[in-house]
Amino acid sequence: AQSVTQPDIHITVSEGASLELRCNYSYGATPYLFWYVQSPGQGLQLLLKYFSGDTLVQGIKGFEAEFKRSQSSFNLRKPSVHWSDAAEYFCAVGITGTASKLTFGTGTRLQVTL
Amino acid sequence: GAGVSQTPSNKVTEKGKYVELRCDPISGHTALYWYRQSLGQGPEFLIYFQGTGAADDSGLPNDRFFAVRPEGSVSTLKIQRTERGDSAVYLCASSLTSSSGGELFFGEGSRLTVL
Repeated sequence: AQSVTQPDIHITVSEGASLELRCNYSYGATPYLFWYVQSPGQGLQLLLKYFSGDTLVQGIKGFEAEFKRSQSSFNLRKPSVHWSDAAEYFCAVGITGTASKLTFGTGTRLQVTL
Repeated sequence: GAGVSQTPSNKVTEKGKYVELRCDPISGHTALYWYRQSLGQGPEFLIYFQGTGAADDSGLPNDRFFAVRPEGSVSTLKIQRTERGDSAVYLCASSLTSSSGGELFFGEGSRLTVL
């Protein structure tokens, strides 16, 4: 069965600093990979996804992620964090053929200091 | 409405009681999903519908949990004989089709507390 590991439970960065959130997955074939963001009082929102092709994917709000098959990773990055980025971030994997049944990681809570 | 709507937003009940949670998906979305998010965890898949039928209910923890979507739109998650371990946020999501590749649109969730 597929699984997702987000090793960082909580990360604090200063506004304007760069950000990288780690995600490692376990799945036998090429997975579908996603990053979702969950802000207080709001539903989960899709930031970006990877299905195939270019391993560097661009998402909304200035986020990007890079799929590295050799490392089974799909880390999320942003060059300059804004205070409004403070939220919980979830990495998820979907199985090829049933891409909408997702397995989520436990999440990384991002705190932004001014 | 424009997004996925879930009611109630909060539900407090006593152990052993019956609970219904409702989800109204985005208009035109044929696929509907239920996930459960326990404190400090990521969402966990419960069930998904394509149209009126449950296409995959492998995530339902036991037979106390049941979900319906009789007209292919609104769905109700039903929990019988609630237990304290059922306390969680129950998330509903919808997508245009089940093959739309994980573009799920989530509601804000129904927080269930079982005393």
